[in-house]
Amino acid sequence: DAKTTQPPSMDCAEGRAANLPCNHSTISGNEYVYWYRQIHSQGPQYIIHGLKNNETNEMASLIITEDRKSSTLILPHATLRDTAVYYCIVRVAWGQGGKLIFGQGTELSVKP
Amino acid sequence: GAVVSQHPSWVICKSGTSVKIECRSLDFQATTMFWYRQFPKQSLMLMATSNEGSKATYEQGVEKDKFLINHASLTLSTLTVTSAHPEDSSFYICSARDFQGAGEKLFFGSGTQLSVL
Repeated sequence: DAKTTQPPSMDCAEGRAANLPCNHSTISGNEYVYWYRQIHSQGPQYIIHGLKNNETNEMASLIITEDRKSSTLILPHATLRDTAVYYCIVRVAWGQGGKLIFGQGTELSVKP
Repeated sequence: GAVVSQHPSWVICKSGTSVKIECRSLDFQATTMFWYRQFPKQSLMLMATSNEGSKATYEQGVEKDKFLINHASLTLSTLTVTSAHPEDSSFYICSARDFQGAGEKLFFGSGTQLSVL
């Protein structure tokens, strides 16, 4: 699975959009981009995933560049409860032996 | 979303004893489950992949005789830490794939904090 690079930490003001970048320059054509987050001492929570197109759900938006070498997770209106470690992961489909390998992630602190 | 239940949430045991952790998919069938461990201030490390009805596949460096994994049904996988020692103290997390409903998503349990005295 391709390696990802994320900034170790970021701050965001409450109510503002949080934009979390991820670099995955060695991604292959059949690898998905996933975002999970982990609030302290809990199991990771699925946020969103995509292959080529931008995606949006009730939690966030995922913007993938045209060359797929980077992506951005957008939390449109960050709240204090969004403070967590955010993980960007790339992997092949389950049927091709895909596994979720976590990197170091970005520790997002949402401040009042 | 799909729910993965992990039990117990925390356990304290004496060195040399064995501890069993259960992971259940409550509202879906999981042909594949994954076990992770996490040390303080570190990321999750994949330990093994568990497939229903077959032997688990362990990641490099994980002792299969120490971390016994059983996936006997489509809704239950167990991890047994045998002859636990203080260095096995960690946060253990399971995850399950909803192969019918959620497609490419993976759902996680709430984790088990193991402390070995």
